[in-house]
Amino acid sequence: SYELTQPPSVSVSPGQTARITCSADALPKQYAYWYQQKPGQAPVLVIYKDSERPSGIPERFSGSSSGTTVTLTISGVQAEDEAEYYCQSADSSGSYVVFGGGTKLTVL
Amino acid sequence: QVQLVQSGAEVKKPGASVKVSCKASGYSLTSYGISWVRQAPGQGLEWMGWISAYNDNTNYAQKLQGRVTMTTDTSTSTAYMELRSLRSDDTAVYYCARERGRSCSGGGCYSGYFDYWGQGTLVTVSS
Repeated sequence: SYELTQPPSVSVSPGQTARITCSADALPKQYAYWYQQKPGQAPVLVIYKDSERPSGIPERFSGSSSGTTVTLTISGVQAEDEAEYYCQSADSSGSYVVFGGGTKLTVL
Repeated sequence: QVQLVQSGAEVKKPGASVKVSCKASGYSLTSYGISWVRQAPGQGLEWMGWISAYNDNTNYAQKLQGRVTMTTDTSTSTAYMELRSLRSDDTAVYYCARERGRSCSGGGCYSGYFDYWGQGTLVTVSS
């Protein structure tokens, strides 16, 4: 089955830049999306179509794509950004949605 | 404002079925698809499938084919997900989410993304 690979954890100090990667073969052909999930809450979309930011999402969240890897970058990390982050895309047919395993962002 | 409100928690025995509802407001259900996503305790997100309320087209995750059915009732702006032959590993929080951006063109097909989510419904499968 098709998989998106994320690092299990990333740790940064407040004010630093956090980068979370997501890799898969079909990413050059399919858009990637990113969600933030805090404990006990539903996920929240933070990046769509690789690099677009929904209204209401702070400018410190950005996305980029290069080949088979997409990256979520959080600049000037704040304590409130501590959460689980999931990438989402689809297999090469575009029919089946897939989520990455999630990355726990810890703000030290 | 857009809202998706789901039905309450359920406790089921192995082998039983569960049907979770998701009532949409603030937009027309037929304008976007609805996907269902579940999350087992302490685990990641798992996509279960998608339904178009516009034409009732569905697309289910391969591992759930034959056990899951998604439907909509446009008269009440409500989407439903029924899962049959429940097992203990079906214990999870089940979310509905509005899906936008799913499309097909000459260049291929593209899945959508989820801009609004329901609050989640905990389904516990236990004997």
